[in-house]
Amino acid sequence: EPEVTQTPSHQVTQMGQEVILRCVPISNHLYFYWYRQILGQKVEFLVSFYNNEISEKSEIFDDQFSVERPDGSNFTLKIRSTKLEDSAMYFCASAVEDTDTQYFGPGTRLTVL
Amino acid sequence: AQSVTQLGSHVSVSEGALVLLRCNYSSSVPPYLFWYVQYPNQGLQLLLKYTTGATLVKGINGFEAEFKKSETSFHLTKPSAHMSDAAEYFCAVRGRAAGNKLTFGGGTRVLVKP
Repeated sequence: EPEVTQTPSHQVTQMGQEVILRCVPISNHLYFYWYRQILGQKVEFLVSFYNNEISEKSEIFDDQFSVERPDGSNFTLKIRSTKLEDSAMYFCASAVEDTDTQYFGPGTRLTVL
Repeated sequence: AQSVTQLGSHVSVSEGALVLLRCNYSSSVPPYLFWYVQYPNQGLQLLLKYTTGATLVKGINGFEAEFKKSETSFHLTKPSAHMSDAAEYFCAVRGRAAGNKLTFGGGTRVLVKP
């Protein structure tokens, strides 16, 4: 069964460094999402992406964040200058249609020191 | 704005006992409703969803949920808990109109006792 994959599974970085989290959505899916889950808190929506542009973004998704689909398969989340509070599990999801079920990847645990 | 409340951050059940996880939502119109499960060190896996039609929805692993519009609820049940059901369960909603983000509840961690 097709699945969303994410790399790396764990990322440790120093505060102020840039990180890129990578996702490979399910191949025929057209809608892509990033969510995050700070330890002990709710899963929160960050951004949705369709047709090579952002469809919607949350208040969390400020200028430090960006997303890109650099080729036909990858979907990336970049954090330009990481802060301690960016430490979280980041989940990528994809869907065929925007009204369809979102399928989640296993997540990348980001730790900012 | 939509919101989701899951009553009880932790639930402990005995193996073979009923599992009941509560979810209430707030939305101006009935949304799409989902339950996801997260096993340790894994991502979110869809258990079941309600979009339209029959209000009792059956999902994987013997779980089911019933949409009750009058109560704005979408509680998840399983008649007989299995050790493998130990996980965290998330209720989520998504609007039917424009905007396709999922809004999650706080999650309920289920512990199954032998």
